[in-house]
Amino acid sequence: RKEVEQDPGPFNVPEGATVAFNCTYSNSASQSFFWYRQDCRKEPKLLMSVYSSGNEDGRFTAQLNRASQYISLLIRDSKLSDSATYLCVVKQGSGGSNYKLTFGKGTLLTVNP
Amino acid sequence: DADVTQTPRNRITKTGKRIMLECSQTKGHDRMYWYRQDPGLGLQLIYYSFDVKDINKGEISDGYSVSRQAQAKFSLSLESAIPNQTALYFCATSDIGQGVSGELFFGEGSRLTVL
Repeated sequence: RKEVEQDPGPFNVPEGATVAFNCTYSNSASQSFFWYRQDCRKEPKLLMSVYSSGNEDGRFTAQLNRASQYISLLIRDSKLSDSATYLCVVKQGSGGSNYKLTFGKGTLLTVNP
Repeated sequence: DADVTQTPRNRITKTGKRIMLECSQTKGHDRMYWYRQDPGLGLQLIYYSFDVKDINKGEISDGYSVSRQAQAKFSLSLESAIPNQTALYFCATSDIGQGVSGELFFGEGSRLTVL
């Protein structure tokens, strides 16, 4: 099982649609979880952290299920500007030799007019 | 101006040449990282440094070396470039508090092509 695995995509959705991305991780000792967004030919940027109780930021909702080692990102009312690659990121450790931040391969989302 | 600046942004070179990618930051962060990104693959960590005297190998350090010249500068070298090192390279920084927040701040990337 890969350390961080995401839906392969690509996802093509119309404006206004709701779309969900899933991500699974293999290391049960993983401590923190994040979603990053990467526009075409640009650098990744943090979209949101994922908290144990689930969290929402506007149209975006992130959820974590530690028992199933699974996180998700839900985007409601999709906008054209949401078109990007979404990267699932998992962190183990906090410093020194045990630190590790692992990125998933990303899921490409295209929102169509 | 960008907080994390990479130079060069694009470089085409030949097999066997020595290449250096430079990264400088104005964010005042202690931690700096070098990643590479290949099409269809996730970001892979090459090296990271938690302060000027601390250098750690990442997942794919073979064929690469780094130098942390100052808190604000972290350079990546390919001593003898080979074609499978053709990739998009990102430098990133984080605050020491990144252990909690997880936020990395990336440069705009350096696209390297090795012929």
